[in-house]
Amino acid sequence: DTEVTQTPKHLVMGMTNKKSLKCEQHMGHRAMYWYKQKAKKPPELMFVYSYEKLSINESVPSRFSPECPNSSLLNLHLHALQPEDSALYLCASSRGGMVLSGNTIYFGEGSWLTVV
Amino acid sequence: KQEVTQIPAALSVPEGENLVLNCSFTDSAIYNLQWFRQDPGKGLTSLLLIQSSQREQTSGRLNASLDKSSGRSTLYIAASQPGDSATYLCAVSYSGAGSYQLTFGKGTKLSVIP
Repeated sequence: DTEVTQTPKHLVMGMTNKKSLKCEQHMGHRAMYWYKQKAKKPPELMFVYSYEKLSINESVPSRFSPECPNSSLLNLHLHALQPEDSALYLCASSRGGMVLSGNTIYFGEGSWLTVV
Repeated sequence: KQEVTQIPAALSVPEGENLVLNCSFTDSAIYNLQWFRQDPGKGLTSLLLIQSSQREQTSGRLNASLDKSSGRSTLYIAASQPGDSATYLCAVSYSGAGSYQLTFGKGTKLSVIP
């Protein structure tokens, strides 16, 4: 099983809403990531969790709040977003806690977010 | 700062042709290089991972090579099929600014014409 599952697949939210994106993997991976991808652009790293601890925050605005409840789950809480935050949000995971070093990174199908 | 460039940005070939996609990176101190495929509106599918100590990896009709000293990688696709149509991204992992980083190229959009 090399699957990273993301829900929901599509989300439309207003600028005053609070919503969450969810990600799950059962591969025993100990590093999990959130990426943001705008149309026709490569993915951009937002956050990295290693052994359930936040290890990288790429200067992401506080309206995005990550959470890692356990080694299999990763959430991204959204509040007071702007229309320019509309994008594909990708979750990924890799084996081991040494993030990115020598390990294949597996991506989910993504959550399409539209902020209106 | 690591920069990853993919050439060409788009490629259209007739079915059955062999083709090569190119990826170059500016800092040769990498841990590994990974090739991904992305279908429209979908996530990324890992195709091949080459460790910095390796020179190539093969999976089916795909062969990826790595020349770390010159900062280049190629993805060779043999006997292309319409189902190979997608955007292909390469990404390098390296240590930068005190932490591990993964930098993507902008991708090559491949169209295989039946």
